[in-house]
Amino acid sequence: RKEVEQDPGPFNVPEGATVAFNCTYSNSASQSFFWYRQDCRKEPKLLMSVYSSGNEDGRFTAQLNRASQYISLLIRDSKLSDSATYLCVVIGSYSSASKIIFGSGTRLSIRP
Amino acid sequence: EAGVAQSPRYKIIEKRQSVAFWCNPISGHATLYWYQQILGQGPKLLIQFQNNGVVDDSQLPKDRFSAERLKGVDSTLKIQPAKLEDSAVYLCASSLDRGISYEQYFGPGTRLTVT
Repeated sequence: RKEVEQDPGPFNVPEGATVAFNCTYSNSASQSFFWYRQDCRKEPKLLMSVYSSGNEDGRFTAQLNRASQYISLLIRDSKLSDSATYLCVVIGSYSSASKIIFGSGTRLSIRP
Repeated sequence: EAGVAQSPRYKIIEKRQSVAFWCNPISGHATLYWYQQILGQGPKLLIQFQNNGVVDDSQLPKDRFSAERLKGVDSTLKIQPAKLEDSAVYLCASSLDRGISYEQYFGPGTRLTVT
């Protein structure tokens, strides 16, 4: 089993729809979680951190479920500009180093 | 504020040749990361520096890859000799510090093709 897993998609949804995807992780000691966005042939950029209590930033909501070991990203009222690959990042503590693991990404395509 | 700079942006080499990539992080950022991103996959951390010291290089193929950050600012990543499977985008990122909550800022990457 991979340490961090994401559904590769693509998710193809109409503009204005709500879409959600998950990211599962295997290390129960993982401490920090993030969602990054990566446009085609561009570098990843931080979308949002994921807090234990869940957090919202405009149309985006991120949640953490420690019991089931997954994080989720919900996008409401999707825009054409939301088309991108969404990468989850899980950071766990291993002895003295923090192990940083990116998922393989979920491709999202918003159609007019 | 200037972002993370990387050069070259593209490089094509033949297998068994050597190649080096350069990264200049955001000014004042203590932590620097090198990632390898193969097409269709997420970035894989190769090495993490805190100032000029190595924090984690557990996934760096040390028989052919090396990296240094001698003065705790810019960094170079070298591959010698290159293999076909090294074809990937090499991303450099930096963060203010090494704590788990610090945002990483990525450079544009170097796209390496090994033929």
